[in-house]
Amino acid sequence: DVVMTQSPLSLPVTLGQPASISCRSSQSLVHSDGNTYLNWFQQRPGQSPRRLIYKVSSRDSGVPDRFSGSGSGTDFTLKISRVEAEDAGVYYCMEGTVWPFTFGQGTKLEIK
Amino acid sequence: EVQLLESGGGLVQPGGSLRLSCAASGFTFRRYFMAWVRHTAGKGLEWVSSIADNGGRMYYPDSVKGRFTMSRDNSENTLYLQMDSLRPEDTAVYYCVKTGMSGSHSGPDNWGQGTLVTVSS
Repeated sequence: DVVMTQSPLSLPVTLGQPASISCRSSQSLVHSDGNTYLNWFQQRPGQSPRRLIYKVSSRDSGVPDRFSGSGSGTDFTLKISRVEAEDAGVYYCMEGTVWPFTFGQGTKLEIK
Repeated sequence: EVQLLESGGGLVQPGGSLRLSCAASGFTFRRYFMAWVRHTAGKGLEWVSSIADNGGRMYYPDSVKGRFTMSRDNSENTLYLQMDSLRPEDTAVYYCVKTGMSGSHSGPDNWGQGTLVTVSS
């Protein structure tokens, strides 16, 4: 199985400051169809997860543009340009290239 | 609005069985791949199974293969997960999720509220 490694696992951030989460895969996530299936999810306390980004950098409808995804091959990043209070929660990356699809262990973002 | 409503969770003894259901609404159910994803305290989020739009293909990780069976009823807009030979490590919140029309590669774009399954004697 593809191992997804996130860092940091804990991320304290001051309101209004930027935040960045790294996700590395144990093998390339480029699919035979040419797409790279790296997705990002947010799970706020007490809620189900919610997809933010799919295929590396495509933002879901309703997701604020302060969230952005980038990367290629095995190295990927989720960036929040200016953290707001509602961004507190756990963030997961997920690969959808090799079955069984796997998630990273999660990064807990807390507001300082 | 997409709604996914799971039911059937509960407490079961090791070796026992449980059947989860998921009632879907707000989208054309028969056109989408669907899946189950679980969340455990120890392993985090884990794909449990995925099923094609017409129910003709199912996918399972080795951790549940041979024990779990996913199915769907497109006439009733309902998804199922039959779980047999349950183990304590299957204890988790199980989410019913909607994925894409041509596969689950981009992950779930909608999640249910989750149902708790506890395997313990």
